[in-house]
Amino acid sequence: DAGVIQSPRHEVTEMGQEVTLRCKPISGHNSLFWYRQTMMRGLELLIYFNNNVPIDDSGMPEDRFSAKMPNASFSTLKIQPSEPRDSAVYFCASRSGTSRYNEQFFGPGTRLTVL
Amino acid sequence: AQRVTQPEKLLSVFKGAPVELKCNYSYSGSPELFWYVQYSRQRLQLLLRHISRESIKGFTADLNKGETSFHLKKPFAQEEDSAMYYCALRLSGGYQKVTFGTGTKLQVIP
Repeated sequence: DAGVIQSPRHEVTEMGQEVTLRCKPISGHNSLFWYRQTMMRGLELLIYFNNNVPIDDSGMPEDRFSAKMPNASFSTLKIQPSEPRDSAVYFCASRSGTSRYNEQFFGPGTRLTVL
Repeated sequence: AQRVTQPEKLLSVFKGAPVELKCNYSYSGSPELFWYVQYSRQRLQLLLRHISRESIKGFTADLNKGETSFHLKKPFAQEEDSAMYYCALRLSGGYQKVTFGTGTKLQVIP
């Protein structure tokens, strides 16, 4: 298994543009998490899904952010319109409901730069 | 609401010196505590969890409920320990949400 897959790995865009980040969780995992990592605030949970259903989106900064999980193997995080303060590394993680250690497996992240 | 505090953004130690990365949490229940590590150019990964009570790569962490702490310790730092370390908390009762601290960058000086 290649682990959690994220694309793109790097994204540079201009303020006001729409940005879509993609994630493919580990096969068989039923929970998916989106995080944002910044120097100032560390790792923040944005939203998580369980069995494709959004459970907690209280970490989503504002209406410009939206996330979907149309099926068990794919999720997107969209920012529209993007702003410079959205620049960060965005991580996707997945977890198995039967995991003995409740461990989350992280993807490599997408480094987003909004100019 | 639960909170995880890592007071140090950067911790520099010399090779062979003891390491202690501090983590305090606020939660009234019985949480599950973790340490995650991110080495340079690698993915964030689980280092250890308090329930396992195990030593990983020489690191240990003891949950102190009285002090609400879960400090990560290693008696002798190695250069390969240089990384970003995150303390994390998961609520009891089946919740899946994990709250992370802001992270501490450990720099081991040769």
